[in-house]
Amino acid sequence: EVQLWESGGNLVQPGGSLRLSCAASGFIFSSYVMTWVRQTPGKGLEWISSISGSGGDTYYADSAKGRFTMSRDNSKNTVYLQMFSLRAEDTAVYYCAKGPQFDGFSFWGQGTVVTVSS
Amino acid sequence: EIVLTQSPGTLSLSPGERATLSCRASQSLSRNYLAWYRQKPGQAPRLLIYGASSRATGIPDRFSGSGSGTDFTLIISRLEPEDFAVYYCQQYGSSYTFGQGTKLEI
Repeated sequence: EVQLWESGGNLVQPGGSLRLSCAASGFIFSSYVMTWVRQTPGKGLEWISSISGSGGDTYYADSAKGRFTMSRDNSKNTVYLQMFSLRAEDTAVYYCAKGPQFDGFSFWGQGTVVTVSS
Repeated sequence: EIVLTQSPGTLSLSPGERATLSCRASQSLSRNYLAWYRQKPGQAPRLLIYGASSRATGIPDRFSGSGSGTDFTLIISRLEPEDFAVYYCQQYGSSYTFGQGTKLEI
């Protein structure tokens, strides 16, 4: 059974940093692209970043470029999202997802809440 | 960026009825890389349909997807109580974007 478990969400002040983690199980982790997606009431679902199975290639939305860094540790079956210079508009539920492959984002974690506020 | 527009915004139906949800893309999607997700309150989205018309693992056959190019449809043939939720379409052929959602309410 595929499982994804995000952690690391918290209340952080504007300009602060936070690292999110997503632990995976139930599939051959290193064979899959992994992705972070966030959701806000105002903007809906927004793709943030993806990383190749090897970790050698990363992709970012414009909203994340230069401030967020996605990485993975295949020995721990975990992906990370390091976020810097956080802004109020980064407040969201952050989900990690398996994929995309030919079948889109086939499985999502339960999400972790990031609140950026003073 | 490919913009996806879903309609209607809200759909009010009863259990046992048929639901038809639409998703229109601002430009033609390569390889029909269009997915549909259902999101229940307090839960993560769940993949229902990928490649415009293929059901994901474990998804019952009352869900069907169709379409190509810029116009796509999700049909739920006989609504069950657990189907009342928000539905999102997503394209994954050119970066990744989501529609704004259709709320299916009783």
